[in-house]
Amino acid sequence: GQQLNQSPQSMFIQEGEDVSMNCTSSSIFNTWLWYKQDPGEGPVLLIALYKAGELTSNGRLTAQFGITRKDSFLNISASIPSDVGIYFCAGSDGNNRLAFGKGNQVVVIP
Amino acid sequence: DTEVTQTPKHLVMGMTNKKSLKCEQHMGHRAMYWYKQKAKKPPELMFVYSYEKLSINESVPSRFSPECPNSSLLNLHLHALQPEDSALYLCASSLQFVPGQATSSYNSPLHFGNGTRLTVT
Repeated sequence: GQQLNQSPQSMFIQEGEDVSMNCTSSSIFNTWLWYKQDPGEGPVLLIALYKAGELTSNGRLTAQFGITRKDSFLNISASIPSDVGIYFCAGSDGNNRLAFGKGNQVVVIP
Repeated sequence: DTEVTQTPKHLVMGMTNKKSLKCEQHMGHRAMYWYKQKAKKPPELMFVYSYEKLSINESVPSRFSPECPNSSLLNLHLHALQPEDSALYLCASSLQFVPGQATSSYNSPLHFGNGTRLTVT
């Protein structure tokens, strides 16, 4: 089955710093998604990637679909306090089910 | 604001109660999903409906009974739950569900509601 390894699992960063997190899979994926979840809310889609090598930005967020199709990274530039939350990677290798990483808890220190 | 609306936001129920969770979307999506999420864990798939028909049941206990009255509505009926069923229950929708393609450029990613926080006492 699909397995995703997301790292790091938590990070404390200073406001204004850049953040980088990544996700690797045990099989080749055809789609990578990045979600952010705030406390008491559902996951919100940040970026969707559909092609190997694809680099997509959404404001201060940038994500890439790895060339090997087994990894993806998410960068947050110039972090601000509202970037705090849990970031999940998710993806599919053609299975019916979307696989999720374990999440990365980001804490921004003012 | 999320385009997938879930009610109620919070629910406390006893083990002998019967309650229902409701989900609504008006994005024209034809696939709807129920996920269960424990604290600090990723969402876990429970059910998938495609064009109002149940496509996937992830071996969920029968005390959880899904229902899709129409393409915009999804319910989850709860009966005789256990304390370990306490969790955040998330509804999601996508443009369509294509077997073998959990998500793709023509399927659209999942859009989640804000969930119902369920506590079973």
